[in-house]
Amino acid sequence: EAGVTQFPSHSVIEKGQTVTLRCDPISGHDNLYWYRRVMGKEIKFLLHFVKESKQDESGMPNNRFLAERTGGTYSTLKVQPAELEDSGVYFCASSQGRVSGNTIYFGEGSWLTVV
Amino acid sequence: DQQVKQNSPSLSVQEGRISILNCDYTNSMFDYFLWYKKYPAEGPTFLISISSIKDKNEDGRFTVFLNKSAKHLSLHIVPSQPGDSAVYFCAASARNAGNMLTFGGGTRLMVKP
Repeated sequence: EAGVTQFPSHSVIEKGQTVTLRCDPISGHDNLYWYRRVMGKEIKFLLHFVKESKQDESGMPNNRFLAERTGGTYSTLKVQPAELEDSGVYFCASSQGRVSGNTIYFGEGSWLTVV
Repeated sequence: DQQVKQNSPSLSVQEGRISILNCDYTNSMFDYFLWYKKYPAEGPTFLISISSIKDKNEDGRFTVFLNKSAKHLSLHIVPSQPGDSAVYFCAASARNAGNMLTFGGGTRLMVKP
């Protein structure tokens, strides 16, 4: 069974440019999450989809970030325009149900460097 | 403000000895706690979890202890192996916060042969 896959694994862009990160969750997982880790700090929650609906987007830092999950399958996270402080690792994760009863599986992350 | 804290950024242990990783939290609404292990260039991997109704959960060499009154949990690894060398993240979730995980800053464990 394929795990959570993310693309691209690494991306270097200039300040002001746009980057789109993609996540394919584990097949059958309705819950999809985006997290990020900036400058070796703690991993922070960005948002949570249940199928195609945004369940919780309280962690999205500002309106330069846009996440979509059309059709309830894969998800994209777009940063437009990118700023220097957006550099970090963006993790996608998925689960079948609530965290207390189900394992949340993480992808390997998309490393974003904004120069 | 960090609701989950791992005050030790790194820990070095001799192979065969016990590794104890600590985690403190401030949010009394947290009711489920998890430990994740992360190797370089990989995503976090689930290790072990504990519900707030318990004070101990054991899985092989890994045991998690929860002290609710102190808002403290710890992960014990016995015996430690070189392959356990990784960054360990403590995470917590609250029933009223859906499936959101709040992570600590991580502790880098180095197990020396």
